[in-house]
Amino acid sequence: AQSVSQHNHHVILSEAASLELGCNYSYGGTVNLFWYVQYPGQHLQLLLKYFSGDPLVKGIKGFEAEFIKSKFSFNLRKPSVQWSDTAEYFCAVQNAGGTSYGKLTFGQGTILTVHP
Amino acid sequence: KAGVTQTPRYLIKTRGQQVTLSCSPISGHRSVSWYQQTPGQGLQFLFEYFSETQRNKGNFPGRFSGRQFSNSRSEMNVSTLELGDSALYLCASSSGGGGSPLHFGNGTRLTVT
Repeated sequence: AQSVSQHNHHVILSEAASLELGCNYSYGGTVNLFWYVQYPGQHLQLLLKYFSGDPLVKGIKGFEAEFIKSKFSFNLRKPSVQWSDTAEYFCAVQNAGGTSYGKLTFGQGTILTVHP
Repeated sequence: KAGVTQTPRYLIKTRGQQVTLSCSPISGHRSVSWYQQTPGQGLQFLFEYFSETQRNKGNFPGRFSGRQFSNSRSEMNVSTLELGDSALYLCASSSGGGGSPLHFGNGTRLTVT
């Protein structure tokens, strides 16, 4: 079975600091990878996704993530965070083959707090 | 384009009762998935429907069931409620193709007393 591990439960940064949130998954096959963000009081929103091709993917609001197949990792990065990035971030994995329709396996989430 | 709409936003039920939650997907989306979110277990997949057929199912007991209508709207039913069913239930819609990104609603907060 798939599993997703997010390294940090809560990250606290000051504005302009660089961000890296770790995500590792366990699954031997081909995967689709996602990062979702949940701002306070809002619904889950897609930040970025990786299906194939260039392992460095760019998403909204200056976020990017790098897929390293050999490490089963898909870490999220942002060079300079803003107060408005305060949110909970979820890494998710989907089996790219078979019948995994609609089924994402999520990590436990990382709460990011950015102080102005 | 309107987003995914879930009703009601909040529900309070008593153990043993049953509950029905509703989800209206984004217009044109034919796939609806349901997730349970709790502080302890995080986000867990319940099931997915496409064109009125359940295509995928998670590891939840049979008390959790769902259905999808011809207009792609979906309902989820939980029978014989238990205290542990208290959670945020999220609905997500997509076009239904493999790897299609999910678009989530705001969820229904169910409290079982």
